[in-house]
Amino acid sequence: SQQGEEDPQALSIQEGENATMNCSYKTSINNLQWYRQNSGRGLVHLILIRSNEREKHSGRLRVTLDTSKKSSSLLITASRAADTASYFCATDAKNTGGFKTIFGAGTRLFVKA
Amino acid sequence: KAGVTQTPRYLIKTRGQQVTLSCSPISGHRSVSWYQQTPGQGLQFLFEYFSETQRNKGNFPGRFSGRQFSNSRSEMNVSTLELGDSALYLCASSLDRGDQETQYFGPGTRLLVL
Repeated sequence: SQQGEEDPQALSIQEGENATMNCSYKTSINNLQWYRQNSGRGLVHLILIRSNEREKHSGRLRVTLDTSKKSSSLLITASRAADTASYFCATDAKNTGGFKTIFGAGTRLFVKA
Repeated sequence: KAGVTQTPRYLIKTRGQQVTLSCSPISGHRSVSWYQQTPGQGLQFLFEYFSETQRNKGNFPGRFSGRQFSNSRSEMNVSTLELGDSALYLCASSLDRGDQETQYFGPGTRLLVL
């Protein structure tokens, strides 16, 4: 079962605009990560935010985490056509066997040139 | 360093057959995790291996199994294939599987079951 729920499911914007994607999760987490996937290929890690962090930046990416609301958002500023991809949030939760990663359903982003 | 490699990249099988997928992690990485991705269920964790031991397991039937070799390469096997096993199978490697570890994903093996 999926832990993360992401919205919107799909987002279409013009190049240069900002894109915001949201993710909600259900259980306690150790960290939350965002990944990008191009056309059914492998996932590329974008950014990790720890449970005790509220905001993190990496280049044009800004991630926020609100553990009280169990939600996170990914902001891509000044989007480019090359940003067209699916974006997934993933949570790491510790269990007896180690860490288990649970992915959200993903947001499909289309950036029009 | 070379990235995570998966073989084969594409596979077509028929119901009832079995299949073995292979994953070679990044050199030095000892943890390998496997995921199944389908349009309906999304990305789901299958299992994780570390130092040849299965350390974590998702909610999949026993038809799905895996192993890891001493060089950290991993294989997953699906027996008695069903149509619903058609999916993109992704493996990911990391140095260990601590909570701050980044997982590096391979390109995936796309399996079609007819």
